[in-house]
Amino acid sequence: GAGVSQTPSNKVTEKGKYVELRCDPISGHTALYWYRQSLGQGPEFLIYFQGTGAADDSGLPNDRFFAVRPEGSVSTLKIQRTERGDSAVYLCASSRQIAGDNEQFFGPGTRLTVL
Amino acid sequence: AQSVTQLDSQVPVFEEAPVELRCNYSSSVSVYLFWYVQYPNQGLQLLLKYLSGSTLVESINGFEAEFNKSQTSFHLRKPSVHISDTAEYFCAVSDLHGRGKLIFGQGTELSVKP
Repeated sequence: GAGVSQTPSNKVTEKGKYVELRCDPISGHTALYWYRQSLGQGPEFLIYFQGTGAADDSGLPNDRFFAVRPEGSVSTLKIQRTERGDSAVYLCASSRQIAGDNEQFFGPGTRLTVL
Repeated sequence: AQSVTQLDSQVPVFEEAPVELRCNYSSSVSVYLFWYVQYPNQGLQLLLKYLSGSTLVESINGFEAEFNKSQTSFHLRKPSVHISDTAEYFCAVSDLHGRGKLIFGQGTELSVKP
């Protein structure tokens, strides 16, 4: 079956602009996660959705970052007033959330470059 | 809060040699443990996981990892590596409820040379 998909694969923007990154999870997966991976680092947690609600947004770095999942499937990560330090690969993952097993399936990522 | 330390950022080895990628974690609660692999120009893939039961877990391509609670370690080993094992390897933990975020280490770049 289809895996997690993310669009766009690459996004180049200018400092101060607004961007939206989209994630389509695996069908039937109730949990959805966003991570950010900077060069030479491991993925860093941003936010986790269970259904439509954000169950844990403790990783969002500041109020310029916001994410939604209005129908419990597709999610959009929104970044306002982008800064050069926001440049990274943004990863999305989804999980079935069966008790005791939190295997997360990752998408290919969106590479964001802020000039 | 949990944290993960991967002790080696780069590990160069020759083909057919054994390899160990080290991972230590810190947590005040029981955790699940994972190794993910990222091949060049590909996304993260789960390699193996420890949830409960036997402390030795294996992957389909010959890797194994052993959960050592007393040493808070989850080192990854393979007795004989192939060129195709060249990739970035990430160790990760999540809390026992297993419903939330993964905390990743910084990664170990395994480079297998002929």
